Amino acid sequence: QSVLTQPPSVSGAPGQTVTISCTGGTSNIGAGYDVHWYRQLPRTAPKLLIYNNINRPSDVSDRFSGSKSGTSASLAITGLQAEDEADYYCQSYDISLSGAVLFGGGTKLTVL
Amino acid sequence: QLVESGGGLVQPGGSLRLSCVASGFAFRNYDMHWVRQAAGRGLEWVSAIGFAGDTYYPDSAKGRFTISRENAKNSLYLQMDSLRAEDTALYYCARRWSDAFDIWGQGTLVTVSS
Repeated sequence: QSVLTQPPSVSGAPGQTVTISCTGGTSNIGAGYDVHWYRQLPRTAPKLLIYNNINRPSDVSDRFSGSKSGTSASLAITGLQAEDEADYYCQSYDISLSGAVLFGGGTKLTVL
Repeated sequence: QLVESGGGLVQPGGSLRLSCVASGFAFRNYDMHWVRQAAGRGLEWVSAIGFAGDTYYPDSAKGRFTISRENAKNSLYLQMDSLRAEDTALYYCARRWSDAFDIWGQGTLVTVSS
């Protein structure tokens, strides 16, 4: 069981907006550590989507946005497309684990 | 770009050394990490090495895994000893940038089985 909790699955129809949550605690997200988000397509390596809570790499669509509040963070995907179907992971660090890297358990996004 | 190699089939209790060769960036200036993923499972952090050579491990890897780097060869290594069935996974190397991982390799598969 991951220290960072994500819903196992979310779904939405093309064109809709979905949100994926990432819930931590006072020793990680709540301690001020930034949250980062990755997308993993089947049989490929993870790809960075959002870094430092809200920032997008230059090659990532503006349909993806991130936010952070308290001990949680969220990834929003607007204008859902079939190619968005993938696994999504949040990532942060934990002060109680000597700065250990934490990943959420992952969320499978299904485009209906 | 990051390219891993060295995975394979090994018996429980055995050892394996993974390699990761970097290109296209100043390898010596970046912290580097290993992350693994068992089949059908999520991502799990395995180890990290700072650009200055400081190393970090989760409890699951302490005492069994050793991360190292050779900047002159733009190379990252993971020596894995006392391997267990639960170490079976696809192992990725990744570059740390702005606290996130912005470049990942394609992974190398480690299978621990008798």
